[in-house]
Amino acid sequence: GQNIDQPTEMTATEGAIVQINCTYQTSGFNGLFWYQQHAGEAPTFLSYNVLDGLEEKGRFSSFLSRSKGYSYLLLKELQMKDSASYLCAVRDSQGSQGNLIFGKGTKLSVKP
Amino acid sequence: DARVTQTPRHKVTEMGQEVTMRCQPILGHNTVFWYRQTMMQGLELLAYFRNRAPLDDSGMPKDRFSAEMPDATLATLKIQPSEPRDSAVYFCASGDPGQGNTDTQYFGPGTRLTVL
Repeated sequence: GQNIDQPTEMTATEGAIVQINCTYQTSGFNGLFWYQQHAGEAPTFLSYNVLDGLEEKGRFSSFLSRSKGYSYLLLKELQMKDSASYLCAVRDSQGSQGNLIFGKGTKLSVKP
Repeated sequence: DARVTQTPRHKVTEMGQEVTMRCQPILGHNTVFWYRQTMMQGLELLAYFRNRAPLDDSGMPKDRFSAEMPDATLATLKIQPSEPRDSAVYFCASGDPGQGNTDTQYFGPGTRLTVL
């Protein structure tokens, strides 16, 4: 079956670093995405990993280990505006082309 | 600034009524997705089109939901008859597989549906 797990909620302090983990079990794998979703808004694309390793984009980095079915999103120098839900999604290479399977999201609260 | 547009943004209706949601994908994108998001289930794929052809609608209750793309600039999701359990936010997303292997999906603002 298809399963994507991530913590439901996390809390961190402004200026700190937080790591949001995601583990997945899917019948195929053709890339892992992280999306950010502020309350009441649409998900917006943050990062994409298809090969093992770390992808860095400003304050945000995403890591992938395909052998472990594991990814994390690292947020540095946290700001209040980073309070949002973070969705991990896997593109399953089998079945529908380009279809993403989403986790239920991790709600991050950044406190002063 | 290209973006996905959806109408209406909010819809309140009574059980049994027909609901039609519309989506205009980003110009040039040839893949369109319909998702439903609830607190309990998260983001669930309902239907997926490529070049206007439906590729996967296995996530959609066939007896009451239907999705179509009358042309490349319009995708519709229809619920008939609607039920209270259909209350959710419905997102449309579009993507372009031509962007290498990334095929990032860009989401519209969503339609918040409440069925009383």
